Amino acid sequence: DGGITQSPKYLFRKEGQNVTLSCEQNLNHDAMYWYRQDPGQGLRLIYYSQIVNDFQKGDIAEGYSVSREKKESFPLTVTSAQKNPTAFYLCASSIDYRGVTGELFFGEGSRLTVL
Amino acid sequence: EDQVTQSPEALRLQEGESSSLNCSYTVSGLRGLFWYRQDPGKGPEFLFTLYSAGEEKEKERLKATLTKKESFLHITAPKPEDSATYLCAVQSESAEGGKLIFGQGTELSVKP
Repeated sequence: DGGITQSPKYLFRKEGQNVTLSCEQNLNHDAMYWYRQDPGQGLRLIYYSQIVNDFQKGDIAEGYSVSREKKESFPLTVTSAQKNPTAFYLCASSIDYRGVTGELFFGEGSRLTVL
Repeated sequence: EDQVTQSPEALRLQEGESSSLNCSYTVSGLRGLFWYRQDPGKGPEFLFTLYSAGEEKEKERLKATLTKKESFLHITAPKPEDSATYLCAVQSESAEGGKLIFGQGTELSVKP
């Protein structure tokens, strides 16, 4: 079945540690996105990538880093510089890097808790 | 600045009690408005895309409508399995990378 796979589903981190969240898609989509979701707030865009080896900052990129070495993969690293990393992280993809269709397909999410 | 506001924040209905969720938006040229359903601890699931005022789309007990300033998600005779958070998002014509701006969601609870 085609879809987006995020791992791990749950992750605990100590303060000062970097962690990497995995996102893999087999939909052959060009564009991939990372959103952060906090209670009572809308999804906020962290980073996005329209093509391989290229990515752009979203609205809340500080303290995060990404890479796009393969079309299928878009991992997100939450660095120790992120001041409030505890959140639900969602990876998504869309069929056209120009966003013509606009439909985002989401993974199941990764919940990060900083201890 | 593009903005999306959803109301109410939470809605409790009895099974069979029809109602509507509202999504008000401000965007500099609308490319599309999107509705998603999100179950607790899960990623959002795509429901509808609306492109122009007057457009309507239906899926089972759900019907989405669009005006120049807002969208409604009408739920007819809801069932407990319709309980979820419903998210609205807009994409502007000038959106870089096709990014969506999301509202904070409406949490719907349907009691039997």
